[in-house]
Amino acid sequence: DQQVKQNSPSLSVQEGRISILNCDYTNSMFDYFLWYKKYPAEGPTFLISISSIKDKNEDGRFTVFLNKSAKHLSLHIVPSQPGDSAVYFCAASYSNAGKSTFGDGTTLTVKP
Amino acid sequence: GAVVSQHPSRVICKSGTSVKIECRSLDFQATTMFWYRQFPKQSLMLMATSNEGSKATYEQGVEKDKFLINHASLTLSTLTVTSAHPEDSSFYICSASRGDQPQHFGDGTRLSIL
Repeated sequence: DQQVKQNSPSLSVQEGRISILNCDYTNSMFDYFLWYKKYPAEGPTFLISISSIKDKNEDGRFTVFLNKSAKHLSLHIVPSQPGDSAVYFCAASYSNAGKSTFGDGTTLTVKP
Repeated sequence: GAVVSQHPSRVICKSGTSVKIECRSLDFQATTMFWYRQFPKQSLMLMATSNEGSKATYEQGVEKDKFLINHASLTLSTLTVTSAHPEDSSFYICSASRGDQPQHFGDGTRLSIL
């Protein structure tokens, strides 16, 4: 049973518009949620995280929203840039540095 | 620049060969290192958690005698795929963490067993 799900395998957005990537989880014991960005032939790079005690965390163009009751989180990128084109992984863990359970990833394409 | 170095980036070898993959944290002492495996178009699947100086903790379904993990120092962990077979062909990625910081990932190793 997959505990972290990213139901959209791909997303295409016009440059300058908002990108919204979604993630659902099933385990209510998760305490931290993280987003990673991955370019081809490279390892994932940490982007932003949120602890379960918060419902929003913002860092520049990136904002993560957490809805604990719905077991849902989303990553908003505003404005989207072509350089944001990558695979985005949602991950959940019991601590900020602990082992993480990853979703399958969403490939974001930002068109110029 | 990269804070976690993984080597080699690609390995092609014959069936029955044992392959060692190294994971080094360059800028910090990693209290914990993780080893993941990724199949095409799938998520990163955690194989094991490695703490310096102690035995690795393997996830359910991962053969510890098949995938040997050594974490001899705070900056180096190795994964050895013993007697590799074609079904072991995959993308293996390590990560390292310290304290309360998120994991830093290596760039992965593409293993192809002929």
